Amino acid sequence: KAGVTQTPRYLIKTRGQQVTLSCSPISGHRSVSWYQQTPGQGLQFLFEYFSETQRNKGNFPGRFSGRQFSNSRSEMNVSTLELGDSALYLCASSLGGGETEAFFGQGTRLTVV
Amino acid sequence: KNEVEQSPQNLTAQEGEFITINCSYSVGISALHWLQQHPGGGIVSLFMLSSGKKKHGRLIATINIQEKHSSLHITASHPRDSAVYICAVRGVRGNQFYFGTGTSLTVIP
Repeated sequence: KAGVTQTPRYLIKTRGQQVTLSCSPISGHRSVSWYQQTPGQGLQFLFEYFSETQRNKGNFPGRFSGRQFSNSRSEMNVSTLELGDSALYLCASSLGGGETEAFFGQGTRLTVV
Repeated sequence: KNEVEQSPQNLTAQEGEFITINCSYSVGISALHWLQQHPGGGIVSLFMLSSGKKKHGRLIATINIQEKHSSLHITASHPRDSAVYICAVRGVRGNQFYFGTGTSLTVIP
């Protein structure tokens, strides 16, 4: 079965712009979580969606937002981009429970110039 | 304070050596994952553990719930094992992952 698909794979944006990233989970998975990976901070949790509801949120400013659609696909939006938002953004999907296995996408590498 | 501590940060080994990467965590967990990340970014989940031990080929992962500690072992290491290995725990509250800082492994032929 198809894995977790993130689009686009690479993105270059200018400071002040906004960006939308997409994550399509494995079929049947209802939980999608998002992570930011930077060289300085490592992997950090952004938020998790389950059945179209945000279930948990990390410690990021309000410029970072997300949503999940009825087909479980999720989008993440970052507004008013800053240079420090340059990172690899990863999403992971799972059936939903903490004891279920999570599968990661290839990530979207965002560069803000 | 990091919820997940990993050691070592960097590891260089000769091909064929036995490798151990350690992970300690401080939060209550529902599961622990060992992840592999190659240059280019994609992350692959190697193991998910909630107790005991799992083996997949040359990789072995163990977890001690009482001591809040896990180890990843690679037997007969190979240059293609060169990657960053990340320990991630799934918290019982909120279902989110907490990540270690990763261990960068280089296996020299």
